[in-house]
Amino acid sequence: DAGVTQSPTHLIKTRGQQVTLRCSPKSGHDTVSWYQQALGQGPQFIFQYYEEEERQRGNFPDRFSGHQYPNYSSELNVNALLLGDSALYLCASGETGAPYEQYFGPGTRLTVT
Amino acid sequence: AQKITQTQPGMFVQEKEAVTLDCTYDTSDQSYGLFWYKQPSSGEMIFLIYQGSYDEQNATEGRYSLNFQKARKSANLVISASQLGDSAMYFCAMREGRSGAGSYQLTFGKGTKLSVIP
Repeated sequence: DAGVTQSPTHLIKTRGQQVTLRCSPKSGHDTVSWYQQALGQGPQFIFQYYEEEERQRGNFPDRFSGHQYPNYSSELNVNALLLGDSALYLCASGETGAPYEQYFGPGTRLTVT
Repeated sequence: AQKITQTQPGMFVQEKEAVTLDCTYDTSDQSYGLFWYKQPSSGEMIFLIYQGSYDEQNATEGRYSLNFQKARKSANLVISASQLGDSAMYFCAMREGRSGAGSYQLTFGKGTKLSVIP
């Protein structure tokens, strides 16, 4: 049973560019959430997707957008990258009706130069 | 005010000893959940234990137990018989209750770095 998977593992981008990160949820899970973890900090909630719609959003600008596909996989897009976007991006999946289940993927480390 | 407070930036524990990592939380919701995650240097967040606000008994998962004191709004993690592999960052997180599908946002503390000494 595959857990949460994310790609790519590492990514280096230049300021102003756009980036797409991908996440496949754990088998049986239908919700996907994205988190940003800056160095030395706890993860911060970006947004959550369920039934292909954004259901909740944290305090992040519109440069951060996402998508969920019918197979429940998800993408996080960040436009006009800033140096401050450098972080570990974590995807978490869960199952509606089971809020105690929140499993994270290994993360994508994004470096913006 | 911070919703999750972890007051111990770093902790040391001798191998095979027990250690308690502190977590206090702030919420006005009656329904909420508390999580502990372990994050090794590799970066992956590993789920350890969950406590629901209505659970009457403290949660336990193997060597991990959660000391839940609702009136004090604390949810401390106890690791028994520490092992060298327990050295990692530990994060306390809270999910506050909301209706519907959009109720899975987790708010994290700043974490505690645990170092297990041989």
